[in-house]
Formats: sequence, C-alpha cells, structure tokens
Amino acid sequence: EAQVTQNPRYLITVTGKKLTVTCSQNMNHEYMSWYRQDPGLGLRQIYYSMNVEVTDKGDVPEGYKVSRKEKRNFPLILESPSPNQTSLYFCASSQRLAGGIFNEQFFGPGTRLTVL
Amino acid sequence: SQKIEQNSEALNIQEGKTATLTCNYTNYSPAYLQWYRQDPGRGPVFLLLIRENEKEKRKERLKVTFDTTLKQSLFHITASQPADSATYLCALGNTGGFKTIFGAGTRLFVKA
Repeated sequence: EAQVTQNPRYLITVTGKKLTVTCSQNMNHEYMSWYRQDPGLGLRQIYYSMNVEVTDKGDVPEGYKVSRKEKRNFPLILESPSPNQTSLYFCASSQRLAGGIFNEQFFGPGTRLTVL
Repeated sequence: SQKIEQNSEALNIQEGKTATLTCNYTNYSPAYLQWYRQDPGRGPVFLLLIRENEKEKRKERLKVTFDTTLKQSLFHITASQPADSATYLCALGNTGGFKTIFGAGTRLFVKA
C-alpha cells in the first residue's frame, strides 16, 4: 500500500529539548515536504526536498532543520523547540510530471506536537 | 506577497444541492492548482489537479474551474451528501520553483 508514515503521532515535550519527527514514504517519490498547520493559517511549508541531499526552505523554516540522506526518509528536527512550535505537522511526498508540474501530494497522518 | 484566500466561513448546504467553494489568489502566476479534502485530525487527500491552460476539469461529482484572468478557481460538488462534509483546501504551484502554497480551507457541512 502506497503511504507516507510519520512518527510519533503525538508528542508533548518541554522547551529546549531536541526532538526529531520521522517521515518515510514507500512510493519512490523524489519530492518530499514538511508542513505545519495552525488554526486559521492553513498549511504552511517548512522545508522541502527535491531529491537526496537537496533541500530548501519553505515559508516558515526558522527553528527547524531537515536532512535527506535517503530517498524514502525526510526527518524534521527541532534543535531547541519553543512553545510557538506547538502545531500539527504533516509530511508529504510527490512525483514531478512532465512539464514540471507536481502530481498529487500524499500526506502522512500528522504529528501533533505540544511544546510546554 | 503571495496570498490565497478561501471562504473562512463554513458553508452549510442541504443534501442533494451543489456546493460551490471559492479560491482566490493574488501576486502569483500558478502553473497549476490542486484541490484537497481534509477530515478532522487527518492529512489532506488529493482530489483534482487543473493546469493553467485548462478551463475546467471533472471527476465524478466534482468539477473545478480555473480562471487565470480573474485569479480564481471554483470547486463544485454536485448532488452533495453528508459524507462530503469536510474541509476543502486549494493549493497553487508553478514550474519555476518547488514551493506549494495552500489556502486555509473552507469547512463544508452537508445536512441530511
């Protein structure tokens, strides 16, 4: 079954304690992305990756890091989480079509993070 | 700055009627637009993609229009059912970059 998995699904942590949210896809997609979703603000892109070792900032990258060492995995790292990073996080993957258009994005189930 | 606007107020309609949702954008020239459905606590699910040179796209009870002059997309669900109740998101992308911009979504309630 084609899917994007994220772990953990729920996480409560304290300010400053480093954490990693994992993301994995089994569709051999080149493109992967991280979003955060906050009430009234919709989905905002944090980082994206076009391929292994190729990453770039989205609209809200401050306080986050990513890496893409393998095609299937795209972890999100919060080196020193703060309360304003409390949010619902989604990982997504996609494949590029001819003409440069991206096909549908497949989203993971989400990770609800609370930073106290 | 680039901006996408969807109706922030929820849309309430009666079962069997056509639901029409609006997506407007500014300061952007998208090559394509996508619509997603999102249920509470779950990730968005892709519904339709329409390219800038396409005026209309259909899939079963769904229809999307894309007017690049008006900078607007309309999303229609015909013969709506209570199971169509969800939040619907529009997303824009272009071929010159790799960012995707999402609207905040419109909540649809279909009453039986």
